[in-house]
Amino acid sequence: AQSVTQLDSQVPVFEEAPVELRCNYSSSVSVYLFWYVQYPNQGLQLLLKYLSGSTLVKGINGFEAEFNKSQTSFHLRKPSVHISDTAEYFCAVSDYGSGNTPLVFGKGTRLSVIA
Amino acid sequence: DAEITQSPRHKITETGRQVTLACHQTWNHNNMFWYRQDLGHGLRLIHYSYGVHDTNKGEVSDGYSVSRSNTEDLPLTLESAASSQTSVYFCASRLALNTGELFFGEGSRLTVL
Repeated sequence: AQSVTQLDSQVPVFEEAPVELRCNYSSSVSVYLFWYVQYPNQGLQLLLKYLSGSTLVKGINGFEAEFNKSQTSFHLRKPSVHISDTAEYFCAVSDYGSGNTPLVFGKGTRLSVIA
Repeated sequence: DAEITQSPRHKITETGRQVTLACHQTWNHNNMFWYRQDLGHGLRLIHYSYGVHDTNKGEVSDGYSVSRSNTEDLPLTLESAASSQTSVYFCASRLALNTGELFFGEGSRLTVL
């Protein structure tokens, strides 16, 4: 079964500083990878996804993630964070191919941007 | 605009009572999912459905049930609420592909006293 590890449960960072949120997944076969964001008292929304092709994926709000197959990682980055980026971020994985299986989520990383 | 709605948004109940959380989506998505969110555990899958009359258990299905009588709705029932089921519950839907984006409701906060 797939599993996702988000290595940091909380990440504090000053405004306008860069940030990296780490994500590793367990599968040794091909997968689809996702990052979702949850703002306070809201549901989750898609930030970006990797399906195939270029290993650098750009998402909304200036975020990007890099897929590294050899390290089974999909770390999320932003070069300069804003107060409004304060939220919880979830990495998720699903099986590759035309299948139809549930998404498996990591435990989340709470990003706190400090003014 | 298409959307996914959950009700109630907040509920307080007592141990042993039956509780039903509603989920309704207007995207005509085949796949629907229920997750619970707890501090330190992230999102855990409770039940899911790939279409009408189809239901499947997730990793934390004990004490919960679902039924899918139409495409739009997947209600989650707690047959006899327990304090361990105090949580925030999220419903989500997507088209029937692993590449598809999951669309989430805004959550239902349930407190079992």
